[in-house]
Amino acid sequence: EVQLVESGGGLLQPGGSLRLSCAASGFAFSTYAMSWVRQAPGKGLEWVSAISSSGGSTSYADSVKGRFTISRDNSKNTLYLEVNSLRAEDTAVYYCAKEMLLTEGIDFWGQGTLVTVSS
Amino acid sequence: QSLLTQPPSVSGAPGQRVTISCTGSSSNIGAGFDVHWYQQIPGTAPKLLIYGTNNRPSGVPDRFSGSKSGTSASLAITGLQAEDEADYYCQSYDSSLSGSVFGTGTKITVL
Repeated sequence: EVQLVESGGGLLQPGGSLRLSCAASGFAFSTYAMSWVRQAPGKGLEWVSAISSSGGSTSYADSVKGRFTISRDNSKNTLYLEVNSLRAEDTAVYYCAKEMLLTEGIDFWGQGTLVTVSS
Repeated sequence: QSLLTQPPSVSGAPGQRVTISCTGSSSNIGAGFDVHWYQQIPGTAPKLLIYGTNNRPSGVPDRFSGSKSGTSASLAITGLQAEDEADYYCQSYDSSLSGSVFGTGTKITVL
C-alpha cells in the first residue's frame, strides 16, 4: 500500500524557515518523480515544486522560486521541501504527492501538513 | 492567478449528467500536454479521477469520463450521485511556466 506521510509543519513568523519531510513507503520511491502541492485555507490547489526520480531536475512555481528548495533522499525514501523567507501567503496545507510515470499526473497524495505564517 | 479556468460551481439533480470545463491556452492544454482531474472532499486530500485526459484509475466508476478539444478539456459525470458532491480540479503542464498548473476548481452540488 502506498503511503506518503508529511511532517514538519507548524506556526512560524514571517521571514521564518522550516523543512517539510515526506516519508514514502509501499512503492519504488527512486523510480518516481515527486511533487509538493499546497492549498491555502478555503482556496484551490496550487502546484509548488517537483523533482525528478533521481533528484537531478527540479522545478518551482514562480511564487516560491528562490525561497523554496525541493530535494529527496532515495536511500531514505524521503522527500523534502526547505522553505525560507516565509510570507503570510505561504500559509497552507502542504501535500506531498507521487507522480505517475511519463506524466505529471498525481496518483497518490499524503494527508498534508499545515504551515501557518503569522506574527 | 491560475492558467486553467474552471466554472466556480456546477449543480445537478441525482441521476443527471453534468460537465465541468477546464479552459487553458496554447502553452498547456493546447500544446498537447496531458490533462488530469481530481476530486476533493473538503478536509481530505485530493483523489485522482482521470489521468491522461480520458483514463480512469482502478476503482473510479465509469460514470466519470474526460475529453479534450483544442485548448480546453472537460470532465463529465453521468448518473450524478449525492456522493459526487465535492470540489473538482483539472491539472496540466505549462511550457511557459515549466511546471504543472491546477485549474481554479469547481464545486459540484447535488440538488
